Amino acid sequence: GAGVSQSPRYKVAKRGQDVALRCDPISGHVSLFWYQQALGQGPEFLTYFQNEAQLDKSGLPSDRFFAERPEGSVSTLKIQRTQQEDSAVYLCASSLDRGASLPHFGNGTRLTVT
Amino acid sequence: QKEVEQDPGPLSVPEGAIVSLNCTYSNSAFQYFMWYRQYSRKGPELLMYTYSSGNKEDGRFTAQVDKSSKYISLFIRDSQPSDSATYLCAMSGGGTSYGKLTFGQGTILTVHP
Repeated sequence: GAGVSQSPRYKVAKRGQDVALRCDPISGHVSLFWYQQALGQGPEFLTYFQNEAQLDKSGLPSDRFFAERPEGSVSTLKIQRTQQEDSAVYLCASSLDRGASLPHFGNGTRLTVT
Repeated sequence: QKEVEQDPGPLSVPEGAIVSLNCTYSNSAFQYFMWYRQYSRKGPELLMYTYSSGNKEDGRFTAQVDKSSKYISLFIRDSQPSDSATYLCAMSGGGTSYGKLTFGQGTILTVHP
């Protein structure tokens, strides 16, 4: 498809497990963003990549959260030792470049930590 | 206090009504103002985008920005049941922070036939 693709759509993890969430951006999009959306809240910025470089990770809530984009295309958000407060929808967005276009969002991965 | 405040509603209106949604913000560095619509279990989709103060109209939608009051609004005319969704305001500072959006909480809108 032409949009941002995220997988899995739903993930249930037991507290303490590690999870990996995948994002396939729109082809050719240079910039990639991760956001976290808690229930009933607006999305909150986590981190930003320009190609393979992670230029801003100021929104990552703890060192249990790690994101990578090794080849400047697909990105993975990894959460180690999941906690119940990590339960949220994780949204990925991509844009052509940071200075000239607004990000297009995927449909997110809903993570539930039990 | 959050940088962007948005009344979560919920807001319920009859079909054909004019809907007014609004946000206030505290960060003077914000220069770009957007409205996103989010259907259940979907990602946000961009509705309107405005740079600095002023009005912008697109079909049934009008976005207004008043930077002096730090207040933005979205008006929906002749509302339809298909407009039922969560509406999110979002802002960014431009330049190197262009794509780093700060969102409001979202307003849940229901338009009933």
